[in-house]
Amino acid sequence: EPEVTQTPSHQVTQMGQEVILRCVPISNHLYFYWYRQILGQKVEFLVSFYNNEISEKSEIFDDQFSVERPDGSNFTLKIRSTKLEDSAMYFCASKRTGGGSQETQYFGPGTRLLVL
Amino acid sequence: QKEVEQNSGPLSVPEGAIASLNCTYSDRVSQSFFWYRQYSGKSPELIMSIYSNGDKEDGRFTAQLNKASQYVSLLIRDSQPSDSATYLCAVNMNEGSQGNLIFGKGTKLSVKP
Repeated sequence: EPEVTQTPSHQVTQMGQEVILRCVPISNHLYFYWYRQILGQKVEFLVSFYNNEISEKSEIFDDQFSVERPDGSNFTLKIRSTKLEDSAMYFCASKRTGGGSQETQYFGPGTRLLVL
Repeated sequence: QKEVEQNSGPLSVPEGAIASLNCTYSDRVSQSFFWYRQYSGKSPELIMSIYSNGDKEDGRFTAQLNKASQYVSLLIRDSQPSDSATYLCAVNMNEGSQGNLIFGKGTKLSVKP
């Protein structure tokens, strides 16, 4: 069964450093998402991406964040200058089509980011 | 502010019992509702989705939706210790196809053998 994959599984970085989190969505999916979950808190939407551009973004997704689909398979989240409060689990998700709101989003295993 | 509310629990039930998980949402135009299961340190895993008022059954799971009351629930019959996890209610509050999800904080379920 196809799965969303994410690398790395864990990332430790120093405050102020740039990190790139990588995701490979399910191959025939067209809509891609990033969510984050701070330890002990709820899953929060960051950004959605379709047709090589951002569709929607939340208030969390400020100028230090960017997303890119550099090739036909990868979908990346870049955090330019990490802050302590960026420490969280970051989940990538993908959805097959624009079949309205009923299409299921499938989540990857997550990248646990720790900013020191 | 669009909100999804869940009782954080923990909800403790004995093995074989029915576990009842509840969720309310703030936006009346919400379209789609999802229950995800999340084991500690893992990613959300879809259990069920529901879009229309009423009940939807899948094996031991039944989702119930009442749009007038802005309420969605999940029943787990014959609960097993392996069902012990945090159950996340997620709502798509947008009519558009992008459909980002708004999650509740989750209800932690513990099934005791």
